[in-house]
Amino acid sequence: QSALTQPASVSGSPGQSITISCTGTSSDVGGYNYVSWYQQHPGKAPKLMIYDVSNRPSGVSSRFSGSKSGNTASLTISGLQAEDEADYYCSSYTSSSTLPYVFGTGTKVTVL
Amino acid sequence: EVQLVQSGAEVKKPGESLRISCKGSGYSFNNYWIGWVRQMPGKGLEWMGIMYPGDSDTRYSPSFQGQVTISADKSISTAYLQWSSLKASDTAMYYCARPVAVAGNIDYWGQGTLVTVSS
Repeated sequence: QSALTQPASVSGSPGQSITISCTGTSSDVGGYNYVSWYQQHPGKAPKLMIYDVSNRPSGVSSRFSGSKSGNTASLTISGLQAEDEADYYCSSYTSSSTLPYVFGTGTKVTVL
Repeated sequence: EVQLVQSGAEVKKPGESLRISCKGSGYSFNNYWIGWVRQMPGKGLEWMGIMYPGDSDTRYSPSFQGQVTISADKSISTAYLQWSSLKASDTAMYYCARPVAVAGNIDYWGQGTLVTVSS
């Protein structure tokens, strides 16, 4: 069960937009609309930011948006703010394992 | 209010056994999958396994099959993660998590239990 591939780091200045990619296969990201994204600040539990590719849970800022094309999902953060500096993980349903969920490798977002 | 409350930090020696817990409240514990996620120091999130307390259906990641045991006590709405013989490489933060059925997105997380294994 291989982890989904994310860039190790992405950075941007306050107010800019950044996009984090999450690449899988047709057995996970490409085959199902069950991609979710999590934000994790140091020493804290992860927080759900996006589910089912592009849906935001109640209380999550509209600056966060998700999309998918083929085997790659993306998380876009617009109007970047200092508080967005954190680690971000994607996750997907997968048909290729006895455990049907897999995380991405994680991306460190730095606000310059 | 849905809550997952985990047991406290543990310091153990290699070869010792350990069981950590996660108590669910504010929802019907039997009717939702509950799972465990490992995060080694400075590393990413890894699914270990999930269990459906209602019928004890348990699924493990191949990486953790045979290494840990996931169980639950429905009478006290508590899930467990157990090791029979710890290794130094088991040092990590362990989160319990409630994944939504099928989709798998985790809407609720425990606060984490830090397990340190050192001689």
